[in-house]
Formats: sequence, C-alpha cells, structure tokens
Amino acid sequence: GAVVSQHPSRVICKSGTSVKIECRSLDFQATTMFWYRQFPKQSLMLMATSNEGSKATYEQGVEKDKFLINHASLTLSTLTVTSAHPEDSSFYICSAAPGQSFNEQFFGPGTRLTVL
Amino acid sequence: DAKTTQPPSMDCAEGRAANLPCNHSTISGNEYVYWYRQIHSQGPQYIIHGLKNNETNEMASLIITEDRKSSTLILPHATLRDTAVYYCIVNRNNDMRFGAGTRLTVKP
Repeated sequence: GAVVSQHPSRVICKSGTSVKIECRSLDFQATTMFWYRQFPKQSLMLMATSNEGSKATYEQGVEKDKFLINHASLTLSTLTVTSAHPEDSSFYICSAAPGQSFNEQFFGPGTRLTVL
Repeated sequence: DAKTTQPPSMDCAEGRAANLPCNHSTISGNEYVYWYRQIHSQGPQYIIHGLKNNETNEMASLIITEDRKSSTLILPHATLRDTAVYYCIVNRNNDMRFGAGTRLTVKP
C-alpha cells in the first residue's frame, strides 16, 4: 500500500523558534497533500490543502504567515511553524492523495510538537 | 459540509463482531463514504470505502443502505488491537473532514 512518512516524529522547541515538519510520499506521487492538526482528545482539523507547484489553500482561521506550507515536489510537502508558541503544541498529521484523483488519502504517522 | 453522525463510544467483546453505525443523510449521489481509524498517537489508518454497494476487504465490511443515508462498518471478529477511534467520512469534492468519530473499546 501507499506509504506516507513524516519527519520528525517528535520535536520539542523553545517559544519563538521555528519548526519545519516534512511529509513525504514514499512510493507514489502526490499532486495534493493535506495538513491536519489534532489537539488532545479532539478530532483532526484540516489546516490547509497543498498542491504541488502552487500556493496552499488555508482553512478559515489558520494563519498562512504562521504556518508556511511548501509543496515543491510531487513527493514532498513541508509545514513550517514560525515563531512557535506553547498554544501551537499539537499533533500535526499530513496526508497525500495520489495523482489527480484524490478520493483516497494516505496519512502519515504524525509529528508531536511541544513548544516550551 | 457533508456531515456525519456517529455514536461517541461503543464497547465490544473480544472475538465478537463490532458494528459501527454512521448517519450521512445529506450525502450526494457521487460522494463516497470512507472509514478510517486512529489508534492513540498515530496517524489515521484507511479501512474501507464505498459508494452504494456493500464492500468487503481483509479488514472489514461496509454496509451502505439503499438510500445511502447511513452505513455500518463491521469488524467481524474484533480483537484488542481494534480498540481505536473510528471515523466515518463523506468525501465531498475531494475534501475529507473528520468528525468526532466513535471510540471503540474491545474488551477481553
């Protein structure tokens, strides 16, 4: 089956620093990737949709200047949390959709971000 | 949003079938129903999806009512490792939104 990886799996950083999370589709090309955030005991919330070679589409309430998304290739999307604060501490999950038809999404294992 | 409604929690005895219901009364004709599950602190795992016919794979069966307004995910022989949050999602315009899901606890 299709595999999506994320790196790092866990990161702890100081308040005010920036953190980059990578999402890779390992055995397929992903025209579209999605970024979700999940707080404890809550469901996944879609943050943004990332299309290769174009700007990401952000959901309402998600600050595009704080959560920078780059989808530079068909197998890699990155999410950079800029000037992180403790309230940004969360579980960040990406998913990737193969080809033009993204009825099916394959999810990464998630990245646990803790901002001190 | 093509919203779905699921019970917040369910218990199931190990070895028995787990039947997880989902209501999606606003589903449109070309929208698929997807099921994922999430085990604690992991990414969601794909289980099964369907349009209008019942589907079965090595993990589960999906029963969709004729009017497509509801569906049931069936885990035929639940094991302790099936304890997870199960999400029923309607794929609207290639956009998948997660609801609260059902927390299934399989008990010995």
